[in-house]
Amino acid sequence: SAVISQKPSRDICQRGTSLTIQCQVDSQVTMMFWYRQQPGQSLTLIATANQGSEATYESGFVIDKFPISRPNLTFSTLTVSNMSPEDSSIYLCSVDTSGRAGVNEQFFGPGTRLTVL
Amino acid sequence: GDSVTQMEGPVTLSEEAFLTINCTYTATGYPSLFWYVQYPGEGLQLLLKATKADDKGSNKGFEATYRKETTSFHLEKGSVQVSDSAVYFCALSDRGQGAQKLVFGQGTRLTINP
Repeated sequence: SAVISQKPSRDICQRGTSLTIQCQVDSQVTMMFWYRQQPGQSLTLIATANQGSEATYESGFVIDKFPISRPNLTFSTLTVSNMSPEDSSIYLCSVDTSGRAGVNEQFFGPGTRLTVL
Repeated sequence: GDSVTQMEGPVTLSEEAFLTINCTYTATGYPSLFWYVQYPGEGLQLLLKATKADDKGSNKGFEATYRKETTSFHLEKGSVQVSDSAVYFCALSDRGQGAQKLVFGQGTRLTINP
């Protein structure tokens, strides 16, 4: 398993500003993921962040809007840029600690609840 | 693309009732299947998983069997408790796609009344 923390746990931001969310893991992991959970909705993958390479974004998400950093094997940041009320969501990071190829077991952080006014 | 469909919620039951939450999937490869639970105010937790056909995942009294013939992974519990009130997500990870990402269903909110 893995213990994952996120900062901040919640924030209220003004339209047009940016927020950087931090994700810290208690062990070294290769793959980290960022998800968005809009109010009352399921989780949608934003991007996959591997240390030492550019993040891979899912359809509908772009680097200019959601830049990601992955400076080492225990840490990642997601920035929500030029925010609008539609960005109000819970943002979650997760890690894959499974050692067996093809069988991933992901553990999730507690999430960052973002409200954009 | 891959997808997961869950029964619509919310679901409200009395304590000690039998629970079934239906989940079906569509995948091009051979997915692993998961149930995640999100308790009020908490993060997402892995509840159980199954990695191949006919596998049964179980945890905390919950069970789900990987049915390839019906592409289903229904969640069951024989006697629910108030503490089981949460949102439950069915998810898959498809090895055939090569990516380690999860595809989630829409979630089912479960409320257990004493």
